[in-house]
Amino acid sequence: SQTIHQWPATLVQPVGSPLSLECTVEGTSNPNLYWYRQAAGRGLQLLFYSVGIGQISSEVPQNLSASRPQDRQFILSSKKLLLSDSGFYLCAWRENEQFFGPGTRLTVL
Amino acid sequence: AQSVTQPDIHITVSEGASLELRCNYSYGATPYLFWYVQSPGQGLQLLLKYFSGDTLVQGIKGFEAEFKRSQSSFNLRKPSVHWSDAAEYFCAVVSGTGTASKLTFGTGTRLQVTL
Repeated sequence: SQTIHQWPATLVQPVGSPLSLECTVEGTSNPNLYWYRQAAGRGLQLLFYSVGIGQISSEVPQNLSASRPQDRQFILSSKKLLLSDSGFYLCAWRENEQFFGPGTRLTVL
Repeated sequence: AQSVTQPDIHITVSEGASLELRCNYSYGATPYLFWYVQSPGQGLQLLLKYFSGDTLVQGIKGFEAEFKRSQSSFNLRKPSVHWSDAAEYFCAVVSGTGTASKLTFGTGTRLQVTL
């Protein structure tokens, strides 16, 4: 069966520091992969999606970037974090329906 | 553009009472619709989905939803709520086609269950 992993689960970072969140999927090949952000009291905002290795589509302009170095690996990065980057980050993969990872809680101080 | 509206931000029901969470969508073609549930600090779990066919779909945990094209709605229901159902619920619609398709989510409804 397919599983999706995210790490770390929780992260506290100072403003201006770099960021790297990792997502990996098992049990499937060539999945569509997605990064969402969920700010406190708000819905899910799609940040990036990828349909294959090296293929990244950005949904909203922001301080973050994404990369897909391997088929089942999706990375969310930033060179310098902002306070507004705080939130709950969810990775997902999709076939007919979408499956979500457990999420990473990021707090920028 | 595709959109999903969940008009109720917060709902409180008593344990054992019935529940209906509202969802309205805006999409030109036949929609693929989903309901997800999120417990605090957790990822999202799929409750049910509608692709085609019977407009009343059954999901996990005793939930069901009815697709009504004339009302552009996909409301989630449960006849008797349990305290463990307290969570946030998201309605979503697939927008786009093929590899570019993606989910558009509503802003969510937070369900509180009183004992």
